[in-house]
Amino acid sequence: DSGVTQTPKHLITATGQRVTLRCSPRSGDLSVYWYQQSLDQGLQFLIQYYNGEERAKGNILERFSAQQFPDLHSELNLSSLELGDSALYFCASSGVGYGTDTQYFGPGTRLTVL
Amino acid sequence: GNSVTQMEGPVTLSEEAFLTINCTYTATGYPSLFWYVQYPGEGLQLLLKATKADDKGSNKGFEATYRKETTSFHLEKGSVQVSDSAVYFCALSKMYSGGGADGLTFGKGTHLIIQP
Repeated sequence: DSGVTQTPKHLITATGQRVTLRCSPRSGDLSVYWYQQSLDQGLQFLIQYYNGEERAKGNILERFSAQQFPDLHSELNLSSLELGDSALYFCASSGVGYGTDTQYFGPGTRLTVL
Repeated sequence: GNSVTQMEGPVTLSEEAFLTINCTYTATGYPSLFWYVQYPGEGLQLLLKATKADDKGSNKGFEATYRKETTSFHLEKGSVQVSDSAVYFCALSKMYSGGGADGLTFGKGTHLIIQP
């Protein structure tokens, strides 16, 4: 158990809809990262938040957005969903400071868009 | 930009065989290098890491050495077990000057199958 929690575990929805995925980082970790894992694209970094502020962006679509709240949990919002958005979405967290480069991953949310 | 290349497999070995999974990277500066493992239906678990040239990461019998001159971080294990069957991902990230690291860049993953 990494200490990172994600809800829900599974999500099934229809094209055009909007969903929200939730992540709680390990206790004390200030950084949250979101990743997408799909068969054709592999594992891709989407976005990073640090202590409530966006810190880095990867291959995140404009239809996707995220935020980190004062209690440090994070949400990833996916809108105008397409079939190709079906994937596993992982959240990871890490500490800050010298040497804290290790990211700990949650169990993931499997999104199916029908 | 950064990139990681690894053999995709599947790699099928018999129990107690020697394992090597090749990983090479492209990045500016001095990234940290990682191997993560994903068991069926689970998230990613850190297997080992190395943060500077010539560092050797090791865990559970697995080893990998950070080779700056060949930009490689090959994963090895002397004697594999059926329980090692999983998907293995090589990855890199860059440290921020103020601490912490940016998002991981992953290879495509290597599916390892160990037969009894």
